[in-house]
Amino acid sequence: GAGVSQSPRYKVTKRGQDVALRCDPISGHVSLYWYRQALGQGPEFLTYFNYEAQQDKSGLPNDRFSAERPEGSISTLTIQRTEQRDSAMYRCASSFSAEGADTGELFFGEGSRLTVL
Amino acid sequence: RKEVEQDPGPFNVPEGATVAFNCTYSNSASQSFFWYRQDCRKEPKLLMSVYSSGNEDGRFTAQLNRASQYISLLIRDSKLSDSATYLCVVNMNYGGSQGNLIFGKGTKLSVKP
Repeated sequence: GAGVSQSPRYKVTKRGQDVALRCDPISGHVSLYWYRQALGQGPEFLTYFNYEAQQDKSGLPNDRFSAERPEGSISTLTIQRTEQRDSAMYRCASSFSAEGADTGELFFGEGSRLTVL
Repeated sequence: RKEVEQDPGPFNVPEGATVAFNCTYSNSASQSFFWYRQDCRKEPKLLMSVYSSGNEDGRFTAQLNRASQYISLLIRDSKLSDSATYLCVVNMNYGGSQGNLIFGKGTKLSVKP
């Protein structure tokens, strides 16, 4: 497809389980971002990559959260030992250039809604 | 002080009204500013960038005041289709990280017939 693709769209898991969320950015896009969005809130920055390099992970809440983009294309956000407070919409976005943050043009996927019981 | 602050609203206005949204940001080193629009249950999409000189796109006008660290969005002649949440976005540019785009909580607009 032409847009950013995320999977799964919905994930329900039990507390303590690990989850992996996948993002397939727009082909050729250099930068990839992960955000988390709670209901009624704006997206909360988690981390971003330029190609395969993780440039900033300051937004990851704790060490249970990690992300990778080993080949500079698809990215995986992993949450270990999930907790109920991890429940949210996890959004991935990509931008054409490494200066995506300067142009502001991020293309978001439809998100992965995570529910931790 | 939160990094990007917005009045959450909701703003309920009649069609044809003019409505203004405000946003403040904490990092004076920020260089890039944007407004995004997010429809209910949809992903955010870039509405417009905000330049120091101010910029206009049809019924939409964005302004930046660097001295006050303040951004605004003005919508003239509101349409029903303008109903959405408007997100203020700032590139915080912390420690040289160019990619740290921080979103405000958003201001919800509802335009009524």
